[in-house]
Amino acid sequence: QSALTQPASVSGSPGQSITISCTGTSSDVGDYNYVSWYQQHPGKAPKLMIYDVSKRPSGVSNRFSGSKSGNTASLTISGLQAEDEADYYCSSYTSSSTYVFGTGTKVTVL
Amino acid sequence: EVQLVESGGGLVQPGGSLRLSCAASGSTFSSYWMHWVRQAPGKGLVWVSRINTDGSTTNYADSVKGRFTISRDNAKNTLYLQMNSLRAEDTAVYYCASPGVRDGYNFDLWGRGTLVTVSS
Repeated sequence: QSALTQPASVSGSPGQSITISCTGTSSDVGDYNYVSWYQQHPGKAPKLMIYDVSKRPSGVSNRFSGSKSGNTASLTISGLQAEDEADYYCSSYTSSSTYVFGTGTKVTVL
Repeated sequence: EVQLVESGGGLVQPGGSLRLSCAASGSTFSSYWMHWVRQAPGKGLVWVSRINTDGSTTNYADSVKGRFTISRDNAKNTLYLQMNSLRAEDTAVYYCASPGVRDGYNFDLWGRGTLVTVSS
């Protein structure tokens, strides 16, 4: 199972919006609405930010939103803040009853 | 809120074995699928394995199939990962994770991880 493809890095200035893409196949992202997104700060465990493509867990800022089109899912962070600087990973359930994570994206706040 | 605490990591020689444990607090452990996810130093997250609520269904990543075995003891609120025939590429922080809700397809609950180093 190959990792989902994400850009290695994305950057933006405070207050701007950025979007991270996550490209899979018709056997994972394209076949299920079970895409989730995780934020990971250095040395910390990942934190769930978006699940089931576009749902936000309780306590996660509404500046984070998710969407999907075909085999590509996206995470948008609006009103970028310094605390958003972290690594972000997407994940999807697959037709093999397994899961696959994305390659990861480092978000830098300029 | 359920908390997850991993243990059992350490240094092991190539070809060796190790068993990881993940202790869960709270009375709802038996209601959730449980997963293992690993992260090699400086690398990304990789899903390893999952087990259903009563232990009757398990799935594995191709990279560990036949070498790793996931299991759980609901009476002890504990998840396990038996790792055999370990390779250098298995070196990673191993996290246990759970959706925290029945029928969830995500990882909402995470432990802090335990480091496994495979080296001679």
